[in-house]
Amino acid sequence: GQNIDQPTEMTATEGAIVQINCTYQTSGFNGLFWYQQHAGEAPTFLSYNVLDGLEEKGRFSSFLSRSKGYSYLLLKELQMKDSASYLCAPSTSGTYKYIFGTGTRLKVLA
Amino acid sequence: DSGVTQTPKHLITATGQRVTLRCSPRSGDLSVYWYQQSLDQGLQFLIQYYNGEERAKGNILERFSAQQFPDLHSELNLSSLELGDSALYFCASSVEDRGGYGYTFGSGTRLTVV
Repeated sequence: GQNIDQPTEMTATEGAIVQINCTYQTSGFNGLFWYQQHAGEAPTFLSYNVLDGLEEKGRFSSFLSRSKGYSYLLLKELQMKDSASYLCAPSTSGTYKYIFGTGTRLKVLA
Repeated sequence: DSGVTQTPKHLITATGQRVTLRCSPRSGDLSVYWYQQSLDQGLQFLIQYYNGEERAKGNILERFSAQQFPDLHSELNLSSLELGDSALYFCASSVEDRGGYGYTFGSGTRLTVV
């Protein structure tokens, strides 16, 4: 089976940097997705990491260490609109669906 | 607009009733996935169809069933509804069967059972 662990909640200040960690245990690992979900809305795709290392996309960056079963999402220059849940989901070979972590609820304070 | 269409957006019904949720995938996508999200809970995978065939099943209750039609739209049927079935139900689609390029989610159907 799969085991995914993320902090439940985080709080940060507007303009700051926050790092959201995700650890996972799964067999047949392919890559890891990050999604953003505002309350009551659909999740939207943020990033997909297959190789080790950091991938930067504007204010958001995502890091993956396959050997450690670890990923993080880095959000820079936080804005109020970044208040949302952030979900990590490993993708694995031989399966047809993603299992999502429970998500990290990020609150950005003025 | 993500291209994945779910109807209805909101549904209020009584316990014991049956409802049907509908999903039209993004143009060109052959896979449809259904997820349930209860209040303050994570996304729970229910079932996946690829080109009309069931491909994967999660913790879907026996009271729930789904199918994907030849035009690729999918329906999720929920019967003998209980209060605990109140949740957001999301449909997602992807171009191929393993979702290697990620999902596109619909805006969801909010089901309230009273």
